[in-house]
Amino acid sequence: SAVISQKPSRDICQRGTSLTIQCQVDSQVTMMFWYRQQPGQSLTLIATANQGSEATYESGFVIDKFPISRPNLTFSTLTVSNMSPEDSSIYLCSAYLADYNEQFFGPGTRLTVL
Amino acid sequence: AQTVTQSQPEMSVQEAETVTLSCTYDTSESDYYLFWYKQPPSRQMILVIRQEAYKQQNATENRFSVNFQKAAKSFSLKISDSQLGDAAMYFCAYRIKETSGSRLTFGEGTQLTVNP
Repeated sequence: SAVISQKPSRDICQRGTSLTIQCQVDSQVTMMFWYRQQPGQSLTLIATANQGSEATYESGFVIDKFPISRPNLTFSTLTVSNMSPEDSSIYLCSAYLADYNEQFFGPGTRLTVL
Repeated sequence: AQTVTQSQPEMSVQEAETVTLSCTYDTSESDYYLFWYKQPPSRQMILVIRQEAYKQQNATENRFSVNFQKAAKSFSLKISDSQLGDAAMYFCAYRIKETSGSRLTFGEGTQLTVNP
């Protein structure tokens, strides 16, 4: 299987600031995904991040608010910009491993915006 | 667009008993995957079981089994001999079958409580 780590595991931020979440995979992967899980709700895909190309955003999510980097095959970052209390959520990254035909998830980052 | 629906926000079961979680989905695709994920309070998403749409045989993983009804677009999870460690949020999910992998679409989730 794959080991996926995220940093930070949690953070409390002030309104108007930005936070960058890091996601590290212990294998080289082509496709990585960023999900948001609002309190008590399901996972919603923010964007798909393929190495070497621009991230593909889902409806309702825009690059200016959630810029994503994918500099190599094992790493990605998601920035939550100009935060408001409505951005308080768990943010999870995942990676698709073709050898297992499965998406593996990181442990999530719990973000609270005051 | 594909949708996944879980109509049971909460379920409870007595330890050692059996419980079934329901899931329905909608898709125009003929080949796809269905999954059940478990999310305990630690937030870690754990794959419980996977079903390939073209396989008629229902998937089984130890105490976990599914009832896959393709025509009815139904995909329920049965947990036998429930254990306290089974208590978690369970998500049903769908993915198109592509060689390069694709996004997961999740249901709303079912919170399972296991009573001692």
